[in-house]
Amino acid sequence: QVQLVDSGGGVVQPGGSLRLSCAASGFTFISYGMHWVRQSPGKGLEWVAFILYDGNSKYYADSVKGRFTISRDNSKNTVYLQMNSLRPEDTAVYYCAKDRAAVGFDFDYWGQGTLVTVSS
Amino acid sequence: EIVLTQSPATLSLSPGEGATLSCRASQSISRFLAWYQQKPGQAPRLLIYDASNRATGIPARFSGSGSGTDFTLTISSLEPEDFAVYYCQQRTDWPPLTFGGGTKVEIK
Repeated sequence: QVQLVDSGGGVVQPGGSLRLSCAASGFTFISYGMHWVRQSPGKGLEWVAFILYDGNSKYYADSVKGRFTISRDNSKNTVYLQMNSLRPEDTAVYYCAKDRAAVGFDFDYWGQGTLVTVSS
Repeated sequence: EIVLTQSPATLSLSPGEGATLSCRASQSISRFLAWYQQKPGQAPRLLIYDASNRATGIPARFSGSGSGTDFTLTISSLEPEDFAVYYCQQRTDWPPLTFGGGTKVEIK
């Protein structure tokens, strides 16, 4: 069965960096785009970033553009989110999510989420 | 950016009752709308994609309809496990992919 396991969250000071990982299994990873979606405490969902199945196209929300980088290692079935210059407003649970189709832009499976807290 | 507005913010109902949730887009999104269910402490779960297609394993009491700017998620008869927050999401005009603010279905 499809499984996505998010990891790498923690507490970081403003201006700091963190790298999140999402280990995938149970499907042909190289065939699907992958996303990161976040949810601030008590708030709604915000799409953060997308990477195409081959890693050649990436898209970002304006709120993170220039600070976050999405990448993937298809040999390890893992997608990453490198987060730099973190701000308090980046505090959220971060979920990786599998694209429903090769390029579908909705999300049929989600990781369990990893909490990022940006605070001094 | 396409803005999705969900209503009502909260729906108070009893088990066995039907629920009707609305999602309105700021411009036409054809039928490219999905619905998700989220329970406390859990990740969202895909219920409906492309306005009316049930995702794998989703019970038939969940149905979606609509096109253009107005969409509806209907739960025909609420089961205890259906009390949760529901989000809509569009995939027509991106980036960014956008979500609605959510509708909480709570037990009356």
